[in-house]
Amino acid sequence: DGGITQSPKYLFRKEGQNVTLSCEQNLNHDAMYWYRQDPGQGLRLIYYSQIVNDFQKGDIAEGYSVSREKKESFPLTVTSAQKNPTAFYLCASRLSRGADTQYFGPGTRLTVL
Amino acid sequence: EDQVTQSPEALRLQEGESSSLNCSYTVSGLRGLFWYRQDPGKGPEFLFTLYSAGEEKEKERLKATLTKKESFLHITAPKPEDSATYLCAVYGQNFVFGPGTRLSVLP
Repeated sequence: DGGITQSPKYLFRKEGQNVTLSCEQNLNHDAMYWYRQDPGQGLRLIYYSQIVNDFQKGDIAEGYSVSREKKESFPLTVTSAQKNPTAFYLCASRLSRGADTQYFGPGTRLTVL
Repeated sequence: EDQVTQSPEALRLQEGESSSLNCSYTVSGLRGLFWYRQDPGKGPEFLFTLYSAGEEKEKERLKATLTKKESFLHITAPKPEDSATYLCAVYGQNFVFGPGTRLSVLP
């Protein structure tokens, strides 16, 4: 089965803790993205990566970090510096040719207790 | 700055009552416009890509159209299973998503 997987589906964190969200794809896509979704708002871009070992900040990168050591994997770390981390996090990937479509994973819901 | 707005914010239809969702955009150099369907607690599911004004695409009860300033998602004779949030996105320099339209289709 080809697709994008995210884990865990639900994640609970205490204030002051860092947590890492997993995103894996077996679509052989070049580019990967992390978005945050809050109620009533559009998806907001956190980080993206067009190629292995390279990534760029999106619109709301503060308090987040990423790595891209393998083409298939793009984990997102939510650090304790992120002031309001409770949200639905979505990972996406695309071939990165022209206007190729982004395809999304199932999402991770992070709740800070 | 590229922008996307969607209207209405929410829409309630009776089963079989056709309607349209609007996506208005400003973008420098549109490379593609995308429609997605999102069910609660799930990731967006790709529906259509439109590349140039005048283009139309259809899938079952859905038809997407594109002009130079907006796109419409027409829903013909909707069923309760069409209830979802419909997201529009544009790709110019970057991907920009609209806030979505929450569609409820009542039996």
